[in-house]
Amino acid sequence: AQTVTQSQPEMSVQEAETVTLSCTYDTSESDYYLFWYKQPPSRQMILVIRQEAYKQQNATENRFSVNFQKAAKSFSLKISDSQLGDAAMYFCAYRAEAYSNYQLIWGAGTKLIIKP
Amino acid sequence: GAGVSQSPRYKVAKRGQDVALRCDPISGHVSLFWYQQALGQGPEFLTYFQNEAQLDKSGLPSDRFFAERPEGSVSTLKIQRTQQEDSAVYLCASSLAGTGTDTQYFGPGTRLTVL
Repeated sequence: AQTVTQSQPEMSVQEAETVTLSCTYDTSESDYYLFWYKQPPSRQMILVIRQEAYKQQNATENRFSVNFQKAAKSFSLKISDSQLGDAAMYFCAYRAEAYSNYQLIWGAGTKLIIKP
Repeated sequence: GAGVSQSPRYKVAKRGQDVALRCDPISGHVSLFWYQQALGQGPEFLTYFQNEAQLDKSGLPSDRFFAERPEGSVSTLKIQRTQQEDSAVYLCASSLAGTGTDTQYFGPGTRLTVL
């Protein structure tokens, strides 16, 4: 069974600095997708960035980028120039390509604190 | 509507009561998912619909949980004889076509508290 592990329950960073959130996963599949979602306090889950496993190039969305290491089954999120609005729970999620239901399998989350 | 909506946003139930949670997906979205998120945890899959067909209900924790999407749009998650361990946020998500590349868009969730 696929699993997703986020080993950092909480991270803090100074405003305008860079922070990296870690995620590892376990799967025997070769085709899959990886996601980072953001969940602000009392607000809904929002997709931050997505990576297709067949793509070697790391995904980038403005200040957000990933370091995808397929062989190591690692998928970290780098946030540059951290802003107060980045404070939230961040969840790493996995979805297989091979199955028909496309459910997301989630990590336990990392709480990101931004220090002004 | 512009996004996925869920109602009620908060629900308090006494142990043993039945509850019904509603999800309105984005118009035209084929796929609909329900997840359960316990406090301080990541979401866990409950069930999946493609149009009105419930293709996977393997995540439903017991036969007290039942979900339906009769017309392929609005979905209802029903929990019978609620227990304290059912207390959680119930998230609904929809996606356009149900293919592997689709993004799942989430609603704000319903926070269920069972006393």
